[in-house]
Amino acid sequence: QTVVTQEPSLTVSPGGTVTLTCAASTGAVTSGNYPNWFQQKPGQAPRAMIYLTTKRHSWTPARFSGSLLGGKAALTLSGVQSEDEAEYYCLLSVGGAWVFGGGTKLTVL
Amino acid sequence: QVQLVQSGAEVRKPGASVKLTCKASGYTFTTYYTHWVRQAPGQGLEWMGIIIPSGSTNYAQKFQGRVTMTTDTSTSTVYMELRSLRSEDTAVYYCAREFVGGYWDYWGQGALVTVSS
Repeated sequence: QTVVTQEPSLTVSPGGTVTLTCAASTGAVTSGNYPNWFQQKPGQAPRAMIYLTTKRHSWTPARFSGSLLGGKAALTLSGVQSEDEAEYYCLLSVGGAWVFGGGTKLTVL
Repeated sequence: QVQLVQSGAEVRKPGASVKLTCKASGYTFTTYYTHWVRQAPGQGLEWMGIIIPSGSTNYAQKFQGRVTMTTDTSTSTVYMELRSLRSEDTAVYYCAREFVGGYWDYWGQGALVTVSS
C-alpha cells in the first residue's frame, strides 16, 4: 500500500513564498503519477487547484504553481494572501489506484 | 454550469448499508470518470474508488467486498453503496469528476454519513 507524505503544517507570512511537497513511498513522483493538488477550507468541499503536475484550472490564481522537485510533486504559492490559509492535499495515481497525501495545514501569519 | 449534486445526510446503525447518490449536470456525463472520496471527522481525504461511464469500477483495496459503485447514464447519476457499516465509516462522502488522464476538477458538496447505535 503506497503512502503519500506531505508536511503536516507550514507557516508563511503574507506576501511570502512557500513550497509544499508530496512524496511517494514507492519512489520518485513523476508526471506519470498525474499529480493533482486540492485546497480545502473548513466546512467546504475540496477545490481543485493543480492537475497534471503543473496545470492550473481556470479558477486557480497565478500565484499557485505546480512542479516536480527532487523526486516529489510540489506546490508553490508566491505572494501568499490571507485567503490562502487552508489545508492542501496532493493526490497521486499509483498502480491503477489513487492515493491522497495526509494534507498540509498552511497558516498565513 | 458543471454541478455534482449529492444526496443528503444519512444516519445508520452498525451493520447496516447506505447508498449515496451523485447527480451530474452541465456536461457530457459519458466523457468523465467519477470518483468517491471520504473524509472522517478531523481527518484527511481517502480515495474509495472510481467508476467509468461503461460501468467498470476499481475500488481501493480497503473497501473491496464492502462497496459497490454503479452508474445510470440515462440520468447522469452515480451511486455508491457501502455495506456492513461500522462507526469508523462515519465521514463526509464526496463524489468528484475526472477527465480521462488524471484531470480532476469538480466535486460534489459532500454527504455526511453517521454510523451510530
